[in-house]
Amino acid sequence: EIVLTQSPATLSLSPGETATLSCRASESVSYYLAWFQHKPGQAPRLLIYETSNRATGIPARFSGSGSGTDFSLTISSLEPEDFAVYYCQQRSDWPLTFGQGARLEVK
Amino acid sequence: EVQLLESGGALVQPGGSLRLSCAASGFTFSNYAMGWVRQAPGKGLEWVSVMFNWGAKYADSVKGRFTASRDNSKNTLSLQMDSLRAEDTALYYCVKTTAVPGRVGDFDLWGQGTMVTVSS
Repeated sequence: EIVLTQSPATLSLSPGETATLSCRASESVSYYLAWFQHKPGQAPRLLIYETSNRATGIPARFSGSGSGTDFSLTISSLEPEDFAVYYCQQRSDWPLTFGQGARLEVK
Repeated sequence: EVQLLESGGALVQPGGSLRLSCAASGFTFSNYAMGWVRQAPGKGLEWVSVMFNWGAKYADSVKGRFTASRDNSKNTLSLQMDSLRAEDTALYYCVKTTAVPGRVGDFDLWGQGTMVTVSS
């Protein structure tokens, strides 16, 4: 099973700042890495697929990068609605796995 | 409108069974693999199953106990859950995947979830 480890577990920032979240895979997932945003009481939302492609309707302040085992999600100029939990997920191999999640909170 | 609507969640005793359903609308259901992802209280997201038109894949934690099925004529995905355990307690999300030749796609549409509680 491919284990995804996200860091940091919690990131405290202020609106307007830039957030960088990391996701490390226990083995290569090629570029088959996605990022999701999850807010309380809402369904998770696909932000980034295949490492760096923004999903439909996702603002340009969200960007993804990486390859192989090391990936990152960058959110520039944080807006109040960006504070949430973020998950990475791989579909390179079965079983599909998610990272443990990273909480982005208001400082 | 493109949406997924889950139903069937309930309180069930350990060892019991439950059947979840997911009604899809707004897209050509038969063209996409569909799946289930769950979130236990206070925990992260966990993949459960993906149902293709040719068969299904399951997480090891549910293999042999859960069975996914789909009815393309009714745009419905189902999850038959047997031999339920306390650790199956979770919010179960129905998900649609993107169409990717030769492999499973990304989870690009999620329902609001249906809660399953396994407790005596």
